[in-house]
Amino acid sequence: SQQGEEDPQALSIQEGENATMNCSYKTSINNLQWYRQNSGRGLVHLILIRSNEREKHSGRLRVTLDTSKKSSSLLITASRAADTASYFCATDAIQGAQKLVFGQGTRLTINP
Amino acid sequence: EAGVAQSPRYKIIEKRQSVAFWCNPISGHATLYWYQQILGQGPKLLIQFQNNGVVDDSQLPKDRFSAERLKGVDSTLKIQPAKLEDSAVYLCASSPKGLAGPYEQYFGPGTRLTVT
Repeated sequence: SQQGEEDPQALSIQEGENATMNCSYKTSINNLQWYRQNSGRGLVHLILIRSNEREKHSGRLRVTLDTSKKSSSLLITASRAADTASYFCATDAIQGAQKLVFGQGTRLTINP
Repeated sequence: EAGVAQSPRYKIIEKRQSVAFWCNPISGHATLYWYQQILGQGPKLLIQFQNNGVVDDSQLPKDRFSAERLKGVDSTLKIQPAKLEDSAVYLCASSPKGLAGPYEQYFGPGTRLTVT
């Protein structure tokens, strides 16, 4: 079953603009992770945010987590053509299990 | 550091045939995962190994899917017999896992299976 639901399902913006993707989930979590998948390739880990953290940065990425609303957002600033990919949130809900449940993903297209 | 290796990259078979996928995780990673990713969806966990023991196989269709991880390193995932709905990308991932977690997962390039 899919725990996380990303919104929007698809997003198309101009290069240089910021992109925001949202993820909602259903059960309590230990941590939430964001992954990127380029066309025809495997997934690459972007960032991990623990349940007791509210915001985390990594380069041009900013992730927020609101456990009271069971939601997270991923912001990519100053987007580049190379950011074109699908972005997935994944939740780790069971203590110690390291089992991730992925959402359906957001397809991001950066137009030059 | 070498990444997660998978083979083959592509496989086309007819329904009712069998197929096997191989995965070599990152050296030293204790946990290995197999995911099924159907086009347009997120990956779905099929089975999770910790060393050579199964941690979770609750979503593995055991009537047709099997997996093993010998000596706690390489792993194979087999489908026998295949159905049309098994057409998907099969992803292998590994993570170091340990008491000091949580850890990210490292994914291989995947095997794209087409069942005709």
